[in-house]
Amino acid sequence: RKEVEQDPGPFNVPEGATVAFNCTYSNSASQSFFWYRQDCRKEPKLLMSVYSSGNEDGRFTAQLNRASQYISLLIRDSKLSDSATYLCAVNAPTGGFKTIFGAGTRLFVKA
Amino acid sequence: DTGVSQDPRHKITKRGQNVTFRCDPISEHNRLYWYRQTLGQGPEFLTYFQNEAQLEKSRLLSDRFSAERPKGSFSTLEIQRTEQGDSAMYLCASRQGSMNSPLHFGNGTRLTVT
Repeated sequence: RKEVEQDPGPFNVPEGATVAFNCTYSNSASQSFFWYRQDCRKEPKLLMSVYSSGNEDGRFTAQLNRASQYISLLIRDSKLSDSATYLCAVNAPTGGFKTIFGAGTRLFVKA
Repeated sequence: DTGVSQDPRHKITKRGQNVTFRCDPISEHNRLYWYRQTLGQGPEFLTYFQNEAQLEKSRLLSDRFSAERPKGSFSTLEIQRTEQGDSAMYLCASRQGSMNSPLHFGNGTRLTVT
């Protein structure tokens, strides 16, 4: 079993749609959680950290469920510019808190 | 620009040759990480430095791979006797010491082994 697993993509949605991505992690001792965005042939960039109480940044909402070892990302009112790969990431509790990434979920937003 | 920088951006080499990549992290970040990413996959952890000390190496890092961070600043990743399976994007990232701090990635070095 992979340490971090994400919904297989791709997701194809129209502009204005709401889309949700899910992610599960296997190590219950994991400490920190993130969503990164990666555009084609570019490096990953931090989209948002994920806090236990849930957090929102504009159209983006992240949730964490430690009991279920589950992380989610909700994008409301999708824009064409949201088209990218979304990577779920978890800081492992050992090894300098190395970050383990999921395989990513590809999102295509169409006009 | 005070972000993470990597050099070169692209490298094409023939199988069997050695290649070396360089990473300059954000100056105040003491932790430096190397990742490898292939198409359709997320970044895979290779190795990690805290200052000049290499504290962890992934099993993915065969004996042909070696990384250094001699003065706790820039780092190099060398691949000896390259194989076609080494073709990938090699990403360097740095972060501050807090376990809650995110990674900051460089643009990556895209390696193609022919």
